[in-house]
Amino acid sequence: DVQVAQSGGGLVKPGGSLTLSCSASGFTFSDYTMTWVRQAPGRGLEWVSSINSGSYRFYADSLKGRFTISRDNSKNSLYLQMNSLRAEDTAVYYCARVLGIAVTGPVDFWGQGSLVSVSS
Amino acid sequence: EIVMTQSPATLSVSPGERATLSCRASQSVGGNLAWYQQKPGQAPRLLIYGASTRATGIPARFSGGGSGTEFTLTISSLQSEDFAFYYCQQYNRPGAFGQGTKVEIK
Repeated sequence: DVQVAQSGGGLVKPGGSLTLSCSASGFTFSDYTMTWVRQAPGRGLEWVSSINSGSYRFYADSLKGRFTISRDNSKNSLYLQMNSLRAEDTAVYYCARVLGIAVTGPVDFWGQGSLVSVSS
Repeated sequence: EIVMTQSPATLSVSPGERATLSCRASQSVGGNLAWYQQKPGQAPRLLIYGASTRATGIPARFSGGGSGTEFTLTISSLQSEDFAFYYCQQYNRPGAFGQGTKVEIK
């Protein structure tokens, strides 16, 4: 079975940094585009970043320069390094798999989510 | 940047009735449109991709239509478990979810 298990998250002060991790199993991780999607409390879904099988990265324009997505195919793992965090970055962050092998696509498997709270 | 707009924000429907949700793209996305269902405290679930293809395990009462800039999600006969939030997402380019439609019990 496809599984996406997340770790990381927690409380961080404004201006601080945090790294989220995601471990995948049940599929050939290296073949797939992976993505991060976030959801602020009481709000809708917001795409954050994606990385394809060739490690080509895409970011939401509003986040460029502060967040870095990466992957380690030898560990079947996806990461999101978040710097210069702001209160408005407070959200549940989902790690997820993109269906198929294209650069973009629908998201067919989601992790359980990691809560990131940015507050002094 | 492609902007996705969903309507209505809230849809009040009685169990057994039909529900139609709309999603509009600010520019053509072809057929690269997905629909998701999300219940409180849960991760989203993929319902429809390619505008009209049901994802694995999705009941036939869910159907999607449209192309270009106008899309619909129809739930033919609402069951109790269908009351939830629904989001559309274009994937012609990375990103861009709609703001969501809440389907609530009338």
